[in-house]
Amino acid sequence: EAQVTQNPRYLITVTGKKLTVTCSQNMNHEYMSWYRQDPGLGLRQIYYSMNVEVTDKGDVPEGYKVSRKEKRNFPLILESPSPNQTSLYFCASSLSRDIDYEQYFGPGTRLTVT
Amino acid sequence: LAKTTQPISMDSYEGQEVNITCSHNNIATNDYITWYQQFPSQGPRFIIQGYKTKVTNEVASLFIPADRKSSTLSLPRVSLSDTAVYYCLVGDWFKVNNDMRFGAGTRLTVKP
Repeated sequence: EAQVTQNPRYLITVTGKKLTVTCSQNMNHEYMSWYRQDPGLGLRQIYYSMNVEVTDKGDVPEGYKVSRKEKRNFPLILESPSPNQTSLYFCASSLSRDIDYEQYFGPGTRLTVT
Repeated sequence: LAKTTQPISMDSYEGQEVNITCSHNNIATNDYITWYQQFPSQGPRFIIQGYKTKVTNEVASLFIPADRKSSTLSLPRVSLSDTAVYYCLVGDWFKVNNDMRFGAGTRLTVKP
């Protein structure tokens, strides 16, 4: 089954404790991205990746890191989480540029930083 | 950057047709218009995409006037399960400086 998976789905942590949210897709997509969703603000893009070893900042990259060492994986790293990073996070992937703009989203990771 | 404006919320009743309009006055020549649907606690789901005129699929229709400065998502005969947030996106996903952004969306509530 074609899908985007994220882990963990729920995470409660404390300020300053490094964490990684994993994202994996099995559709051989070149393009992957991370979003955060906060009430009243819609989805805001954190980082995106056009291909392996190619990443770039989105709208709200501060406090986050990403890496794209393999095509299927795009982990989101919070080196020193803070309470303002409490949010719902979505990973997404999409096909190559020759087709369409449909993004496939993961199920989301709800992060709480205390 | 093609900014989009949508109504914050809309109410409808089961069986009615719902039209959600999105304004994008500074849409660029290479930009496409894409709509997503999001249910609570789920990731957004692609609904429909278009460049100009009308596009129809099994879920919805998308109407785009000649000037492309707006677009209308049409949901025929909505049901309670269509209650969701609907996002309009405008942009060229494959530009190096990706400026596809999700706004706040339109929260559609379908009532019995």
